[in-house]
Amino acid sequence: SQTIHQWPATLVQPVGSPLSLECTVEGTSNPNLYWYRQAAGRGLQLLFYSVGIGQISSEVPQNLSASRPQDRQFILSSKKLLLSDSGFYLCAWSAMPYGPKLYGYTFGSGTRLTVV
Amino acid sequence: KQEVTQIPAALSVPEGENLVLNCSFTDSAIYNLQWFRQDPGKGLTSLLLIQSSQREQTSGRLNASLDKSSGRSTLYIAASQPGDSATYLCAVIGDSSYKLIFGSGTRLLVRP
Repeated sequence: SQTIHQWPATLVQPVGSPLSLECTVEGTSNPNLYWYRQAAGRGLQLLFYSVGIGQISSEVPQNLSASRPQDRQFILSSKKLLLSDSGFYLCAWSAMPYGPKLYGYTFGSGTRLTVV
Repeated sequence: KQEVTQIPAALSVPEGENLVLNCSFTDSAIYNLQWFRQDPGKGLTSLLLIQSSQREQTSGRLNASLDKSSGRSTLYIAASQPGDSATYLCAVIGDSSYKLIFGSGTRLLVRP
C-alpha cells in the first residue's frame, strides 16, 4: 500500500532562518506531488506541484521554493523565513496518469511552522 | 477561475441528528469532487470521491451527492456522533489541470 510521510511535525524558526520540509511517498512510482499551505483561519492554498523529477510548477510567487531530487521526494525550502510564512504545510500525492481523476489526492499529516 | 464555496461555515448539532453540508463550485468542468475531514492540527483524511459522471457515493453513515450541471455537492451525515466533530472540506479537480481547489470548510461540532 502507498504511504506518505512528512517531517518534521512541528517547527519553530526565527525570522530570517532557512527552512527545509520534506515529504516522501512509498509504494508508488512517478506520482504527482503537491505542497499546500493552510494559514490560520484561511483555506488551503496550492504552493507548488510536480509531475516528475526536477519538474516544479509554482502557483504563488513568494519566499518559498520546492525541489524534487528523487521520484518520490518533495522538498519545500526557504533561504530566509518571514513571519508571513507561518502556517500548516501539507504535502499530497496522486498516482499518475489517472490518479487525480479516478482516485483523488492523499495528504500527509502536515508540518506546523511558526516563525517567531 | 474556479471558486469553491462551503455553507455553513460552522454548524453545531446535538448527537443523533442527521445533517447536510453544502459545497458549490463556479466552473462545472470538473473531473471529480473530493470530500475531506480535518481534525484540529491534523492532516486531511479523504472521505469520499465522486467522479464527474457519478451522482453519489456512500461510505457508512456518509453520503455525498454531485450535481455537476448546477455546480453543487452535498455531504449527508446520518445519525451524527461526537466523533464526527471536525472540519469538513470539499475540493474539485478541474478539467484543465490536475489541481485540487478547496472550499474554506465547514466546522462541525456534534454535542453529546
